[in-house]
Amino acid sequence: KNQVEQSPQSLIILEGKNCTLQCNYTVSPFSNLRWYKQDTGRGPVSLTIMTFSENTKSNGRYTATLDADTKQSSLHITASQLSDSASYICVVSAGGPDGNNDMRFGAGTRLTVKP
Amino acid sequence: GAVVSQHPSRVICKSGTSVKIECRSLDFQATTMFWYRQFPKQSLMLMATSNEGSKATYEQGVEKDKFLINHASLTLSTLTVTSAHPEDSSFYICSAPKGLGTDTQYFGPGTRLTVL
Repeated sequence: KNQVEQSPQSLIILEGKNCTLQCNYTVSPFSNLRWYKQDTGRGPVSLTIMTFSENTKSNGRYTATLDADTKQSSLHITASQLSDSASYICVVSAGGPDGNNDMRFGAGTRLTVKP
Repeated sequence: GAVVSQHPSRVICKSGTSVKIECRSLDFQATTMFWYRQFPKQSLMLMATSNEGSKATYEQGVEKDKFLINHASLTLSTLTVTSAHPEDSSFYICSAPKGLGTDTQYFGPGTRLTVL
């Protein structure tokens, strides 16, 4: 069973609307959680990185939240644009000396923004 | 701008041939790089960890003789798909952590491999 579960699997919204993507994880011990945006046929691009003590982090119209107690994270996109159409991947790193390379990938949420 | 590059971006080859994919860190040194494979509409799957100056570490189920990894320098790792078959067709992506002690992975743009 994947240790990082994302929902919904896919989402279609109208341009200008807001949306929230969810990421639940069971990875332990926890080191950090990252959200990536991946355009079709391209490599992922980092949006946010959050450690245990951080609850919220923003990057422009993207706001990520983290509840380390419930092991849940969300990515909120405000005033969506057509260019937001992409897959959004949640990646959780396990703690320890090798926290850099013990990553668990969610399956991603495919967001489509329509005009 | 991009901090990790990959070459080629696309490659089409015949079954049985070998294909080499390069991953370069552009403005930093990376003693470790990672290689992933991604099938359509699926998430990234870590294949192996490339270590400069030592052997790569492969994930369970990944054939090391099939996917040869060479970390030739602190800025270059290569993945060679040997005797490629159609089932090897996939999107291959590398990543590298930038900066000592930081925990941010920078991903390459990916290489689309199609084996005929």
